[in-house]
Amino acid sequence: AQKITQTQPGMFVQEKEAVTLDCTYDTSDQSYGLFWYKQPSSGEMIFLIYQGSYDEQNATEGRYSLNFQKARKSANLVISASQLGDSAMYFCAMNLSNTGKLIFGQGTTLQVKP
Amino acid sequence: IAGITQAPTSQILAAGRRMTLRCTQDMRHNAMYWYRQDLGLGLRLIHYSNTAGTTGKGEVPDGYSVSRANTDDFPLTLASAVPSQTSVYFCASSDAAGEADTQYFGPGTRLTVL
Repeated sequence: AQKITQTQPGMFVQEKEAVTLDCTYDTSDQSYGLFWYKQPSSGEMIFLIYQGSYDEQNATEGRYSLNFQKARKSANLVISASQLGDSAMYFCAMNLSNTGKLIFGQGTTLQVKP
Repeated sequence: IAGITQAPTSQILAAGRRMTLRCTQDMRHNAMYWYRQDLGLGLRLIHYSNTAGTTGKGEVPDGYSVSRANTDDFPLTLASAVPSQTSVYFCASSDAAGEADTQYFGPGTRLTVL
């Protein structure tokens, strides 16, 4: 069964420090995409970063990077130099080959402390 | 560029009433989606449309219907609302329905069924 698991319901990080949000996935497909979205308290879903299953390099977007370990089926989000505005819910999601259907994890709430 | 707009922003509805949630995108994306977000369950796909004129069922389609008469609009209809349909509803779109296609989300509609 295709599934995304985020085992950390809530996380705290000190401002300016790095934080890793965990995500593991389960699929037998060879071709898939992994996404991270941010949902601030205002409620909108903001796309952060994408990793393709065939990408050999870890994806990076500014302060966001994705630590992709295919053999372990993990796609952890690393946020460097945390800012107060990073406080939000973060969702990991998987898109299977040519289905267009995102499967979401349950999310991790991140709180950045000043 | 507005991206994706949803209407209404929020609605309180009596059980048994019919309701249509509207979604419009101006990005000329081929694929569109409806998700519901419930506390502790992340986002779940209700219905999707890979291209104008076609629709498909997602993970939780019961009690909902959709239509895709043109590229821009993808309304979601609750024929006879029930309290379990109380949720936040997100519309999303992507250029295509592949595993690498990023889905962009609208601001959401908060629906309460009493």
